[in-house]
Amino acid sequence: DTEVTQTPKHLVMGMTNKKSLKCEQHMGHRAMYWYKQKAKKPPELMFVYSYEKLSINESVPSRFSPECPNSSLLNLHLHALQPEDSALYLCASSQGLRRGWTEAFFGQGTRLTVV
Amino acid sequence: DAKTTQPPSMDCAEGRAANLPCNHSTISGNEYVYWYRQIHSQGPQYIIHGLKNNETNEMASLIITEDRKSSTLILPHATLRDTAVYYCIVRVAIYGQNFVFGPGTRLSVLP
Repeated sequence: DTEVTQTPKHLVMGMTNKKSLKCEQHMGHRAMYWYKQKAKKPPELMFVYSYEKLSINESVPSRFSPECPNSSLLNLHLHALQPEDSALYLCASSQGLRRGWTEAFFGQGTRLTVV
Repeated sequence: DAKTTQPPSMDCAEGRAANLPCNHSTISGNEYVYWYRQIHSQGPQYIIHGLKNNETNEMASLIITEDRKSSTLILPHATLRDTAVYYCIVRVAIYGQNFVFGPGTRLSVLP
């Protein structure tokens, strides 16, 4: 099973709302990632968690708050977003440092629209 | 991680082999070459990766030049469903924590 599951698939939220994106994998991977992708652009890395600890934050605004409650789950909490934050948000996972990272598997993404 | 250069777009006739080039002239000895593709509005899909030997799996073949400064992804019999953006990424497999995507090549398979 190489599946990374993201929910919801689509989300529309107002600028004053608080919402969360969820990502789940059961491959025993210990590295999990959040990417943001705007239309016709490549995915851009936002955060990397390694063994449930945040290891990379690519200078992402604080209105995006990641959380890794356990090795299978990754959340992205959203608060006070702007319309320009509308994008496809992708989650990925891979083996962690102790097993050589290897390839990453991506979910199908959450299409977020901020109104 | 080393940078990669890919043509922005390519066409291929259905049933023919699609050969997608990638230049990575600054690649280091411990950096792997990874290929992903992204079909419209879906998540990127892992295709194949390699260090210096040619690799083949059920999806594609990866040919890496002897000096490792370039590689070619080969889809042996392209179908319409192979129409996608193809990304070539180089990264250190042991210490590299992130996959950095360049602009990629938009492959159009034509009937």
